[in-house]
Amino acid sequence: AQSVSQHNHHVILSEAASLELGCNYSYGGTVNLFWYVQYPGQHLQLLLKYFSGDPLVKGIKGFEAEFIKSKFSFNLRKPSVQWSDTAEYFCAVKPSGGGNKLTFGTGTQLKVEL
Amino acid sequence: GAVVSQHPSWVICKSGTSVKIECRSLDFQATTMFWYRQFPKQSLMLMATSNEGSKATYEQGVEKDKFLINHASLTLSTLTVTSAHPEDSSFYICSASKGIPGDEQFFGPGTRLTVL
Repeated sequence: AQSVSQHNHHVILSEAASLELGCNYSYGGTVNLFWYVQYPGQHLQLLLKYFSGDPLVKGIKGFEAEFIKSKFSFNLRKPSVQWSDTAEYFCAVKPSGGGNKLTFGTGTQLKVEL
Repeated sequence: GAVVSQHPSWVICKSGTSVKIECRSLDFQATTMFWYRQFPKQSLMLMATSNEGSKATYEQGVEKDKFLINHASLTLSTLTVTSAHPEDSSFYICSASKGIPGDEQFFGPGTRLTVL
């Protein structure tokens, strides 16, 4: 079975700082990878996803993530965060071609201060 | 497009009663729907996967007789928490998939259940 680790549980940044949230997964085969965001009081929204091809994936709101297969990682990055990026971020993984069952990481709470 | 709604958004009930939560895909047909439970400051834990017209597949450790799932149509799935107890208090989230292999899941806003 697959598993996902997000090592940063809480991150506090000032506006304009750069962001990198770690995500590592464990699975023996090929995977599809996702980052979801949950703004306060709102539902989960997809930020970006990787299925195949270019390992550097661009998402919404200026976010990007890089799939490094050798490191089993899919870290989320943003060059300059805004106060409105305050939210909880979840990394998720599913085996490619194996249905749509997602396994989520424990989430990272990001707080951006003015 | 791809909007998922849940009803109710929050519910408070007495211990021993049953509560039904609805999950609807508003603008697409959802071949598969998923039910998650989210504890405070924790991740989403998949409870079960339901496919339209067939029995739900429950994750290990989830009591199927306690958490009844029905996926009667391509736009509606329901989760009924039977004989609810305070430990069932949680945030329940559904998601829906169009059934295309590898497609993303679209999440509902969640239902906050409090059992007194």
